[in-house]
Amino acid sequence: GDSVTQMEGPVTLSEEAFLTINCTYTATGYPSLFWYVQYPGEGLQLLLKATKADDKGSNKGFEATYRKETTSFHLEKGSVQVSDSAVYFCALSGGGSNYKLTFGKGTLLTVNP
Amino acid sequence: DTAVSQTPKYLVTQMGNDKSIKCEQNLGHDTMYWYKQDSKKFLKIMFSYNNKELIINETVPNRFSPKSPDKAHLNLHINSLELGDSAVYFCASSQDSYGTEAFFGQGTRLTVV
Repeated sequence: GDSVTQMEGPVTLSEEAFLTINCTYTATGYPSLFWYVQYPGEGLQLLLKATKADDKGSNKGFEATYRKETTSFHLEKGSVQVSDSAVYFCALSGGGSNYKLTFGKGTLLTVNP
Repeated sequence: DTAVSQTPKYLVTQMGNDKSIKCEQNLGHDTMYWYKQDSKKFLKIMFSYNNKELIINETVPNRFSPKSPDKAHLNLHINSLELGDSAVYFCASSQDSYGTEAFFGQGTRLTVV
């Protein structure tokens, strides 16, 4: 079945550092790809999405590009803030994964002042 | 005017009890879900409903019974609670089932003692 693999954390960075969280996927068909963020004690919020190859999703300074040739959707931010500390989940839906989101295991990011 | 709301937010109960979690969405979406998040933050689909019909039952024990009285509601009833049922349960909805993003509730933290 479809699956998502993302880099294991935790990731600890200083404020204003560059962030990359790697995500690769295995899927039949052409899924949509997502990054969700979960702040402490809260539910999941959609951070960004891309629905087809070469699409770039962006939001709040984060961005990720749907790379079909490498089956990847890496999350990047040029300068992280303390408020970005959260768990980040890569996910896919559609293609062979209709009627559900398939998630990676999540990456805990801690940003220190 | 919360988009996806679930109650209660916290639930502490003894082994063997029966409990319910309620979920409502006001987004007009066709598809609703229940996800379980374990202590390591891993998210796994439990059930998926489309227009009140069960589409996915992901090898969840029979003690868990979802009910969708209408398109806007998806409740989760759990019989004979066990220690291993302790987790955070998330309700979510999406416009359709083919790769659109899902909107999540705030979660219900279930603790079985």
